[in-house]
Amino acid sequence: RKEVEQDPGPFNVPEGATVAFNCTYSNSASQSFFWYRQDCRKEPKLLMSVYSSGNEDGRFTAQLNRASQYISLLIRDSKLSDSATYLCVVNRNYGQNFVFGPGTRLSVLP
Amino acid sequence: EAGVAQSPRYKIIEKRQSVAFWCNPISGHATLYWYQQILGQGPKLLIQFQNNGVVDDSQLPKDRFSAERLKGVDSTLKIQPAKLEDSAVYLCASSQSRGQTGANVLTFGAGSRLTVL
Repeated sequence: RKEVEQDPGPFNVPEGATVAFNCTYSNSASQSFFWYRQDCRKEPKLLMSVYSSGNEDGRFTAQLNRASQYISLLIRDSKLSDSATYLCVVNRNYGQNFVFGPGTRLSVLP
Repeated sequence: EAGVAQSPRYKIIEKRQSVAFWCNPISGHATLYWYQQILGQGPKLLIQFQNNGVVDDSQLPKDRFSAERLKGVDSTLKIQPAKLEDSAVYLCASSQSRGQTGANVLTFGAGSRLTVL
């Protein structure tokens, strides 16, 4: 079993739709969690950190369930510009060992 | 703030040849990472440096890959001899330091795309 797993995708959704990404991790000692976004042929960039209490940034909401070892990302009112691959990232120790999931590709269609 | 610099952006070589990639992290970032990203997959850590010391190289194929960060700043990753399955994007990333919960975000360079024929 891979340490970080994500929905296989791809997700094709119309503009304005709400889309949810799921991620599970196997190492219960994991300390911090992130969502990164990667555009085609570009480097990954931080989208948002994920906090235990859940956090929101505009149309994006991230949730963490440590007991279930599960992370989610919700995008509301999706835009064409949200089309990208979304990578779930788990950090075992602060500052070390960032482990990436395989990513889930999203295409937002007009 | 200048970002993570990488070169070359693209490299095409034949199998069994050698190649080297260079990375200059964000100024002041003590931790430097090299990741390999094969098409359609997430980045996979090859090696992590803390200043000029290796923290984790457990997934580095040491029979053909080597990396160094001699002065604790820039780093080189070398592949010799290259295999077809080494075709990938090699991403360098840096972060400020370990042990600081607010400062452990990775920032990536644009990557070096390697094609092995």
